[in-house]
Amino acid sequence: DIVMTQSPDSLTMSLGERATINCKSSQTVLLNSNNKYYVAWYQQKVGQPPKLLIYWASTREPGVPDRFSGSGSGTYFTLTINSLQAEDVAVYYCQQYYSTPVTFGQGTRLEIK
Amino acid sequence: EVQLVESGGDLVQSGGSLRLSCAVSGFTINTMYMNWVRQAPGKGLEWVSVIYAGGDTFYADSVRGRFIISRDNSKNTLFLQMNSLRAVDTAVYYCASGYPTSMGPFDYWGQGALVTVSS
Repeated sequence: DIVMTQSPDSLTMSLGERATINCKSSQTVLLNSNNKYYVAWYQQKVGQPPKLLIYWASTREPGVPDRFSGSGSGTYFTLTINSLQAEDVAVYYCQQYYSTPVTFGQGTRLEIK
Repeated sequence: EVQLVESGGDLVQSGGSLRLSCAVSGFTINTMYMNWVRQAPGKGLEWVSVIYAGGDTFYADSVRGRFIISRDNSKNTLFLQMNSLRAVDTAVYYCASGYPTSMGPFDYWGQGALVTVSS
């Protein structure tokens, strides 16, 4: 199974700051035939289901604010949230859908000071 | 508008059975990879099972042999039959859709159904 390891486990930032969440996969999640990384990022607010933010490591889901961005290569991936807003308080998960079983990172809790 | 609505969550004794349903509107489930994902109280997300558009099914090691994923195409509804339930199966269970031809990211999720297994 591919293990997805996120860091940090929690993050406390101020409004307007930039938050960076990292995710490392234990093995490749790059499909050579289409040169795509099979990595997604989700946001989960309290009492709600997860919401897809980013897929193919860097493609923003329609309707997601452009202050959310994804990047990465190899086995290292990053979710960046620019200009933090109060509504960004949530737990963020990375996911690999390269192989079954699909696996998620343990989650990163983002709080605002 | 796409909607996924789970039902069937309940309190059940250890060793018991339960069947969850996920009624879908807005797309046809037998054209998509449909998944169940669970979240134990205060914990992270755990993928449980998938049924491919073609009908193949796969399970997490933790539930293989006890859970069965299926669908009713006429009702556009996904199911999860859960047998031999254990306390560790206590969780909110979400259905989530993937892509038509591959697992894909999970772009639509239901609101979840709470399953509580008492020991």
